[in-house]
Amino acid sequence: ETGVTQTPRHLVMGMTNKKSLKCEQHLGHNAMYWYKQSAKKPLELMFVYSLEERVENNSVPSRFSPECPNSSHLFLHLHTLQPEDSALYLCASSQDTGTGIIYEQYFGPGTRLTVT
Amino acid sequence: AQKITQTQPGMFVQEKEAVTLDCTYDTSDQSYGLFWYKQPSSGEMIFLIYQGSYDEQNATEGRYSLNFQKARKSANLVISASQLGDSAMYFCAMRETNAGGTSYGKLTFGQGTILTVHP
Repeated sequence: ETGVTQTPRHLVMGMTNKKSLKCEQHLGHNAMYWYKQSAKKPLELMFVYSLEERVENNSVPSRFSPECPNSSHLFLHLHTLQPEDSALYLCASSQDTGTGIIYEQYFGPGTRLTVT
Repeated sequence: AQKITQTQPGMFVQEKEAVTLDCTYDTSDQSYGLFWYKQPSSGEMIFLIYQGSYDEQNATEGRYSLNFQKARKSANLVISASQLGDSAMYFCAMRETNAGGTSYGKLTFGQGTILTVHP
């Protein structure tokens, strides 16, 4: 496997379900991100992890819970979601050294989530 | 205030012709980076090109070039010799250096432009 992978690619869940999205990066990066892409809206940053520490939580509701057990894996745990949470959830990774040098982010293929 | 503005919801181009996708941005930072991503219907965001705010020359990457006009705060993407496979959504994004010089990346995206290449 190369690049950034995400599973599952498609997920349909009821509002009372609990599910998890998984992201794995094979690029040796040390920062990982969750983005939400809703129809007709720009991508919204949800969470940032740098060196396995959460460094940004962009006012995301608590029904979304991220987990970063190591620098290669990132999870998004979902529970009691609402229909408006239906969206494409994209994971990304980048190399961040804390030196101010800006590196590009590489994205996974996304998980298309439908909440019924 | 919107930080990244893409004013073209949709663009059409004939195969083999060049096309320019517009992007303007707003920032008070001196150090920032501008990115263009391509998103085909499959959903994956594909990194195309990067321009740093201190780079004096316009970035180029194969058929992609970035027309960076710092004073006008614009970073237009130029695709030369369009191909059918270029049909996709294109996003302009900006990353500002966080306070304290940390570089973990908060990318701010524009609304995107849907490019359709006609044969």
